[in-house]
Amino acid sequence: EVQLLESGGGLVQPGGSLRLSCAASGFTFSSYAMSWVRQAPGKGLEWVSAISGSGGSTYYADSVKGRFTISRDNSKNTLYLQMNSLRAEDTAVYYCAKKASEEGVSGYFDLWGRGTLVTVSS
Amino acid sequence: EIVMTQSPATLSVSPGERATLSCRASQSVSSNLAWYQQKPGQAPRLLIYGASTRATGIPARFSGSGSGTEFTLTISSLQSEDFAVYYCQQYNNWPPSITFGQGTRLEIK
Repeated sequence: EVQLLESGGGLVQPGGSLRLSCAASGFTFSSYAMSWVRQAPGKGLEWVSAISGSGGSTYYADSVKGRFTISRDNSKNTLYLQMNSLRAEDTAVYYCAKKASEEGVSGYFDLWGRGTLVTVSS
Repeated sequence: EIVMTQSPATLSVSPGERATLSCRASQSVSSNLAWYQQKPGQAPRLLIYGASTRATGIPARFSGSGSGTEFTLTISSLQSEDFAVYYCQQYNNWPPSITFGQGTRLEIK
C-alpha cells in the first residue's frame, strides 16, 4: 500500500527540540523529493521544508530557517525533521508530503500522511 | 516570496449549484498551480495540478482554469461531500518555492 506515516510529535517546552519521522511505503522513496507541511490549529497550510530525492538539496521556509533541519535515509525509506529552538508559533499538525513527479524539488503533492501534532507550551 | 491570496474566505452555496473559488498570485507562476480539498481531521487531497489537470480519481465536476496570476476552481454541481476547505498552492520551479493560499471554506447554504 502506498502510504506515509508520521511519528514523533508531542508536547515540548519553548526552546526545546523534537525530531519527527515519516515512514514511506509502496513507492520508490529515493526517486521523489519530499516536503514537510504544517497546519496550526484552525489555520491554513504552511510549507516548511523540502528535500531532493538524493538528499543533496534542502530548502526551508524563512520561518524555520536555521532552526529546523530536514533529512532522509533512503535505505530506511524514512524522512526526518529535526526541530530545535521551538516556539509557541511552531504548534501545528505536521504532515509529510510526496512530490508527485520525480523531477526537481518544487512541485505539487499527490500523497500526504495523516500528520503528527506538535505542541510547544510550558 | 510569492504570496497566494484566495477569495472569498467563506462561500455559501446550495447543493446542486455551482461554486467558483478564486486564487491570485503576487507574481506570475505560469501554470504551476494546484488545488487541494481538506475535510476536518483529514490530510489535504490533491484535486487539480498544472492549473487545469484533474488528479487521478477526481470527478469531472471539478475543473480548474487560469494562468499567470489569476486562477479559478469551479465545482459545477455541488454534492454534499464537496463541502470542505479548498487551498491553492503555487510551485515555482526555480528557485524552488512553494506557498499555499489561506484557504476558502465552502459551506452549505
